[in-house]
Amino acid sequence: GQSLEQPSEVTAVEGAIVQINCTYQTSGFYGLSWYQQHDGGAPTFLSYNALDGLEETGRFSSFLSRSDSYGYLLLQELQMKDSASYFCAVKKAGTALIFGKGTTLSVSS
Amino acid sequence: EAQVTQNPRYLITVTGKKLTVTCSQNMNHEYMSWYRQDPGLGLRQIYYSMNVEVTDKGDVPEGYKVSRKEKRNFPLILESPSPNQTSLYFCASSGEGQGGTEAFFGQGTRLTVV
Repeated sequence: GQSLEQPSEVTAVEGAIVQINCTYQTSGFYGLSWYQQHDGGAPTFLSYNALDGLEETGRFSSFLSRSDSYGYLLLQELQMKDSASYFCAVKKAGTALIFGKGTTLSVSS
Repeated sequence: EAQVTQNPRYLITVTGKKLTVTCSQNMNHEYMSWYRQDPGLGLRQIYYSMNVEVTDKGDVPEGYKVSRKEKRNFPLILESPSPNQTSLYFCASSGEGQGGTEAFFGQGTRLTVV
């Protein structure tokens, strides 16, 4: 089987930096991706790591280490609007995306 | 505008009354899938389709059917809904971009079965 583990909740204050970890037990996947979902909304794509290392997109960065079966999403300069759920996901050949259970991020002022 | 359209957005129905939730995408994507989302359980895959006439079960397929007669449409059918199928449902599509991991989601269908 395959599973992705994430913390269920993370809290932080505005302007801070937060890291959301994702560990997985699967192999042969294309890469690790991250999605954001605001309450009541649809998930939206944030980032994708095909290779090991850090990918940066503005305030958000994502990291993958296949040897450690581990990745993370790093959010910098947190804003209130970053309060949302964040999901890591993997895709293998011939399957749809498989998601972790999500991490709820609460940003306070 | 690239989008995935689901209908209806909200639905309340009674146990046993067949229903269909429609999903359509305008991006010519090969992959389409259905997920249900329940508190604390994340997004669980119901069915997915790699292309026309090719479908496969996900993690929670019991009580659901799908069809993929055209590339753009992927309806979800509940032949005899039960209260445990009360949930938030999402349809998603993806192409080959970002290794196939960039999925586009519909706005969701909140289903209540009483």
